[in-house]
Amino acid sequence: AQKVTQAQTEISVVEKEDVTLDCVYETRDTTYYLFWYKQPPSGELVFLIRRNSFDEQNEISGRYSWNFQKSTSSFNFTITASQVVDSAVYFCALTGIFSGNQFYFGTGTSLTVIP
Amino acid sequence: DTEVTQTPKHLVMGMTNKKSLKCEQHMGHRAMYWYKQKAKKPPELMFVYSYEKLSINESVPSRFSPECPNSSLLNLHLHALQPEDSALYLCASSQEPGSVYNEQFFGPGTRLTVL
Repeated sequence: AQKVTQAQTEISVVEKEDVTLDCVYETRDTTYYLFWYKQPPSGELVFLIRRNSFDEQNEISGRYSWNFQKSTSSFNFTITASQVVDSAVYFCALTGIFSGNQFYFGTGTSLTVIP
Repeated sequence: DTEVTQTPKHLVMGMTNKKSLKCEQHMGHRAMYWYKQKAKKPPELMFVYSYEKLSINESVPSRFSPECPNSSLLNLHLHALQPEDSALYLCASSQEPGSVYNEQFFGPGTRLTVL
C-alpha cells in the first residue's frame, strides 16, 4: 500500500525565516519516486522536484532544499529565507513501480509567510 | 510549449445543465488525467487516458463523462451534476503512461460551482 503523511496542516512564518515541511511515506515498492508540488492560490500545481528511491543525495535549488532519508522514510522540504511568494499549499506525492504513474498525494501543508 | 491549458477558468451551472471542461497540451505527452480537488484537500484522481484510451476510471459517477478526441485534447462532459460536485477540476499530463518516474504537469484548473 502507498501512503504519504504530511502531519503539518498549516504553518505560519515571518518573512526571512527558514521553514521545513515534513513528508513521511509508506510503500512496499523497492523502486519508487517522491515528488513535491506547490499550489499557490491560483490553483495550478507546480512541479518542484522528483527524487528516486536509489538516490539519497540531498538537493539544493536556490532557496529550496530537500532531505531524503530512506531509513526514516522521509522526504522533507526546507525553504530558506522565506518570502511572501512562498505562501502556498505544498503537496508531497509518491509513485511506485507497481502503481504505474498514479500519484499518491499527502494531505498538503498550507504555508503562510507573513511580511 | 511546456504548459497544460484548461478552459473555462470558472464555471457556474445548474443541476439540469450540460457543460464541458476542456484541457489541452502540446508537449507530446501520451497520458492525460482528470482530478477533482475539494477545498483544503489533495487532488483525487478521476480518470486516466493512456494513448487516447481510457485506462483508469476511479468509480466516478456517470454524470461525469470523459473524452479524448486526440492526443492533445481531453474533455470532461458534465450532466445533471449535484451541488457536492462543486470543486476545482484539474487536468494533468505526463510523458509516458504507466511510467513511474514521469512527473505530471498540471493545468490551472476549472473552478466549478453547481447551484
